[in-house]
Amino acid sequence: DVKVTQSSRYLVKRTGEKVFLECVQDMDHENMFWYRQDPGLGLRLIYFSYDVKMKEKGDIPEGYSVSREKKERFSLILESASTNQTSMYLCATAPGLGQEAGQPQHFGDGTRLSIL
Amino acid sequence: AQSVTQPDIHITVSEGASLELRCNYSYGATPYLFWYVQSPGQGLQLLLKYFSGDTLVQGIKGFEAEFKRSQSSFNLRKPSVHWSDAAEYFCAVGARTNAGKSTFGDGTTLTVKP
Repeated sequence: DVKVTQSSRYLVKRTGEKVFLECVQDMDHENMFWYRQDPGLGLRLIYFSYDVKMKEKGDIPEGYSVSREKKERFSLILESASTNQTSMYLCATAPGLGQEAGQPQHFGDGTRLSIL
Repeated sequence: AQSVTQPDIHITVSEGASLELRCNYSYGATPYLFWYVQSPGQGLQLLLKYFSGDTLVQGIKGFEAEFKRSQSSFNLRKPSVHWSDAAEYFCAVGARTNAGKSTFGDGTTLTVKP
């Protein structure tokens, strides 16, 4: 079974801090994704990565960056946290085109981030 | 571009009643289609998926969904709802050439009355 582990379930930070959210997967999936989830807005894609050191912007990348130095780890970085980044953040993985293409995404349990 | 619409933001059903959650998608070819469920404070869990073949797909927890190409729909059904089914449900569409990306609907929240 695929396991996607997000480093924190709950996190409280202050405005202006640099915040790191970590995601680790154990299934050798090529694709990894970061979403934020807000009431009434569903899941919005922030960034995704289809290979080590490769990334693409999603729908709402502003204020965020990502890092993927190893295949199993995908980090989301809030460069200077702001209160409007208070949200639930979900990491997901999926096989790539060369793997079992078209498979569903597998999600972590989420990190509920509060920026004060 | 692909898109997904879940017309119902919130649905309430009585325990033991049948359930249908609607999903409409927009995509130029045959898509991959998924239904996920999210319990409070948790990530999303896959209920079922459609890739090809039989248009009626069975999933976990007694759920099923039917792919109707002519209506661009992939509605989720369950004949008898249990209180533990209360959760948020997401429909998603994936492109066959799109490196694992999926587009998600905004979700439908299901409340189950005793």
